[in-house]
Amino acid sequence: DAGVTQSPTHLIKTRGQQVTLRCSPKSGHDTVSWYQQALGQGPQFIFQYYEEEERQRGNFPDRFSGHQFPNYSSELNVNALLLGDSALYLCASSRYEGRGNTIYFGEGSWLTVV
Amino acid sequence: GESVGLHLPTLSVQEGDNSIINCAYSNSASDYFIWYKQESGKGPQFIIDIRSNMDKRQGQRVTVLLNKTVKHLSLQIAATQPGDSAVYFCAESSSGGFGNEKLTFGTGTRLTIIP
Repeated sequence: DAGVTQSPTHLIKTRGQQVTLRCSPKSGHDTVSWYQQALGQGPQFIFQYYEEEERQRGNFPDRFSGHQFPNYSSELNVNALLLGDSALYLCASSRYEGRGNTIYFGEGSWLTVV
Repeated sequence: GESVGLHLPTLSVQEGDNSIINCAYSNSASDYFIWYKQESGKGPQFIIDIRSNMDKRQGQRVTVLLNKTVKHLSLQIAATQPGDSAVYFCAESSSGGFGNEKLTFGTGTRLTIIP
C-alpha cells in the first residue's frame, strides 16, 4: 500500500517563473491538503481539496492555486515565484469526514527559487 | 490568532531514558491534536493523536497527555533510542479529527539522543 507520493523531490526555479508540484494520496484517501514548510519552521496550511474543489484555504496569496483530479491526485501551482517561496512543500492526505482516520504526509518537494 | 507553541526548541536525552516534549496551544476551540516526528530531509511522520474528550492516550513507547484547562499537551517517549532523534511537532485543529483538518503547527522541538 503506497503512502502519499510527491513529485518532483527537488527543483530549482528562477524568480518570476511558475511551478507545478504533484501529489498522489494514500490509497483510500480522498482529501488532499498542501502545506509550506520554510527552513526551521513548522508547516503552514496552504489549502485543502475534496471532491475536486478547494474546501479550506490558509493565508496564502492567489499566486498559490491548486487542482484535484477525479482520481484524488492533486497539483499545487505557484505563479510569479518569489525568493521567499523557497521551501519544502508537503502534501497530506486523509479521508474527509472519516473520524479516526489519520492524516499522512508525503516526503515533500523541495523548491529553491533563485 | 491561532498559535501552537513549544516550550523548548531543543532537548537532549541519554539513550534509554524517557523524554518529555511539551506543547502549548492558545485556541480554546482546538479539539484534535497530533504529534509528528520529522527526520532531516523527510516529511512529517504521524506518531499519535488525541481528541479533546480524552486526557491520555498511549501508543507503542509513546504517551500523549492533554490538559485542556491550561491548554497544554505533552509527548512522552519511553526508553529513547538513537532513531528517536528528530524534530517533533505538535499540531492542532478545531475540526474534531474528522479527516478534513486544517492543522496548525508549532515550530518544533529538536530531540537529540545521546549514546
